[in-house]
Amino acid sequence: DAGITQSPRHKVTETGTPVTLRCHQTENHRYMYWYRQDPGHGLRLIHYSYGVKDTDKGEVSDGYSVSRSKTEDFLLTLESATSSQTSVYFCAISANEKLFFGSGTQLSVL
Amino acid sequence: GENVEQHPSTLSVQEGDSAVIKCTYSDSASNYFPWYKQELGKRPQLIIDIRSNVGEKKDQRIAVTLNKTAKHFSLHITETQPEDSAVYFCAATLGGGADGLTFGKGTHLIIQP
Repeated sequence: DAGITQSPRHKVTETGTPVTLRCHQTENHRYMYWYRQDPGHGLRLIHYSYGVKDTDKGEVSDGYSVSRSKTEDFLLTLESATSSQTSVYFCAISANEKLFFGSGTQLSVL
Repeated sequence: GENVEQHPSTLSVQEGDSAVIKCTYSDSASNYFPWYKQELGKRPQLIIDIRSNVGEKKDQRIAVTLNKTAKHFSLHITETQPEDSAVYFCAATLGGGADGLTFGKGTHLIIQP
């Protein structure tokens, strides 16, 4: 599993509430990524990080922010969740120029 | 940015037959093309990848071919088995993937017994 842990695995929340998803890795990888997966859209990049405090936007970054204060943790925050953010969120790391995914977080925004 | 198109969206084949999934990409500078397999409720898992300096790569029953001129690459699965049933995603990127992968929308492969 490339030492990646995502938490929580499942979350149900209400529209307008803030939500933070956590990705934790144990192998000191420099690059980390957040993707969302939706039927008919495949996997789309939200944000990524290339080091502590170094982050950049991906294809679908609107409504999301990220933080990386430690190498091992990459946090994804939905400041005010909307129903369109109901999705499966995958964290990934790059190891030897290959991407490996965590187990995912199923987020439902009601 | 990069755009990846994947076809077909659903593919049904008889067990033992071959399956081919095709992808095209838009950025001629892309140089890394991985394929992922995702079983229901699981994470995507890397099954094979190819770099732009190679035209074909094989690993047991799976192979990937790359045509840089036409900007397309394909996944070939021979002697399909029930455990090959899954959703397969192609992807493309520059620079080994440091800036993230751009994925196709996926192909649901169904192996009929």
